[in-house]
Amino acid sequence: SQTIHQWPATLVQPVGSPLSLECTVEGTSNPNLYWYRQAAGRGLQLLFYSVGIGQISSEVPQNLSASRPQDRQFILSSKKLLLSDSGFYLCAWNTGTAVVEQYFGPGTRLTVT
Amino acid sequence: QKEVEQDPGPLSVPEGAIVSLNCTYSNSAFQYFMWYRQYSRKGPELLMYTYSSGNKEDGRFTAQVDKSSKYISLFIRDSQPSDSATYLCAFTSGTYKYIFGTGTRLKVLA
Repeated sequence: SQTIHQWPATLVQPVGSPLSLECTVEGTSNPNLYWYRQAAGRGLQLLFYSVGIGQISSEVPQNLSASRPQDRQFILSSKKLLLSDSGFYLCAWNTGTAVVEQYFGPGTRLTVT
Repeated sequence: QKEVEQDPGPLSVPEGAIVSLNCTYSNSAFQYFMWYRQYSRKGPELLMYTYSSGNKEDGRFTAQVDKSSKYISLFIRDSQPSDSATYLCAFTSGTYKYIFGTGTRLKVLA
């Protein structure tokens, strides 16, 4: 069966510090991978998606970036965090043959102070 | 006009009640209509999805889509305290881009 991991689960970082969030998927190959942010009172906002190694599509221009160094690994990064980067970050995956069904990870709660 | 509108609630109902959750949308290109359930501090999980107008039933859950009115609903019959969660509607035109509602918080009182 497939599982998706995210870490860390929670993170408190000062403004201006760097960020690295990691997501890995097990039990499938060549998944589509997604990063979302969920802020209070707002829906899930798609940040990045990737359909293959090294392929990243950005949906929202901001100070965040994403990378996919391996088939089942997706990383969200920032060089300098802003207060507005606080939120619940969710990684999700699906396969090319089932693009409707998305499976979400447990999330990382980021607080920028 | 927002692409998706969803009443944030909270919605409190007694155990056993029928719950109706709704979303409206404006993008005619949406082809797939989804409902996710999200427990507090957890990732969302897909409950149901439909492709066309009409009803789809899965146990106590029924999803309804009216494409002419751009309106979707999720009905929960015989609601249970374990149904207490935030329910998110979601839409896609079949591409990799998904649009989510803000979610409706539901509380089922025992």
